[in-house]
Amino acid sequence: DAGVTQSPTHLIKTRGQQVTLRCSPKSGHDTVSWYQQALGQGPQFIFQYYEEEERQRGNFPDRFSGHQFPNYSSELNVNALLLGDSALYLCASSFPTGDGGYTFGSGTRLTVV
Amino acid sequence: LAKTTQPISMDSYEGQEVNITCSHNNIATNDYITWYQQFPSQGPRFIIQGYKTKVTNEVASLFIPADRKSSTLSLPRVSLSDTAVYYCLVGDHQGGKLIFGQGTELSVKP
Repeated sequence: DAGVTQSPTHLIKTRGQQVTLRCSPKSGHDTVSWYQQALGQGPQFIFQYYEEEERQRGNFPDRFSGHQFPNYSSELNVNALLLGDSALYLCASSFPTGDGGYTFGSGTRLTVV
Repeated sequence: LAKTTQPISMDSYEGQEVNITCSHNNIATNDYITWYQQFPSQGPRFIIQGYKTKVTNEVASLFIPADRKSSTLSLPRVSLSDTAVYYCLVGDHQGGKLIFGQGTELSVKP
């Protein structure tokens, strides 16, 4: 099953460091969205990429940036990590119109110490 | 995007039917209603989507009244493995961002 693949699954970083998370979308999907999920909360939208461009962005600071590659895979970069950035980071892929729903990966658990 | 309200938690027993109701009073004409299921340390999983009346698939049914100001996710004969958080989302189905609330934590007991 060519679902959404995220790496790494777990990560521990020190405050002030930078981190890069990776996502490979479901086969056939070309749109990738990133979400942050704090413990006990619903996922919060960070941004969405389509055709290698950021198409939509949520209420996150510029420390959060991303990239989409020609093969539709994507990266999420977070600079100057804060303790509050500790969360589960989820990647979701879809068609541009959202038809058929979004397929989420299992996420990357980021812990900032 | 329309805001949704759903119960924080629900308890049920194996074999029972579970109905989770979501309120979305400000739903727009173009909005669809979508439900996701999330297990701990996993991403949400699409369950069902509808616009009006009733939609049924192999795992659930979605009931939407004529005014579309609420919707009910129905899970027939739940099992322990249905213990999860269920999210109701409302959006224009144009592939944009998904707005998640806190969801309903369903606990199924033996």
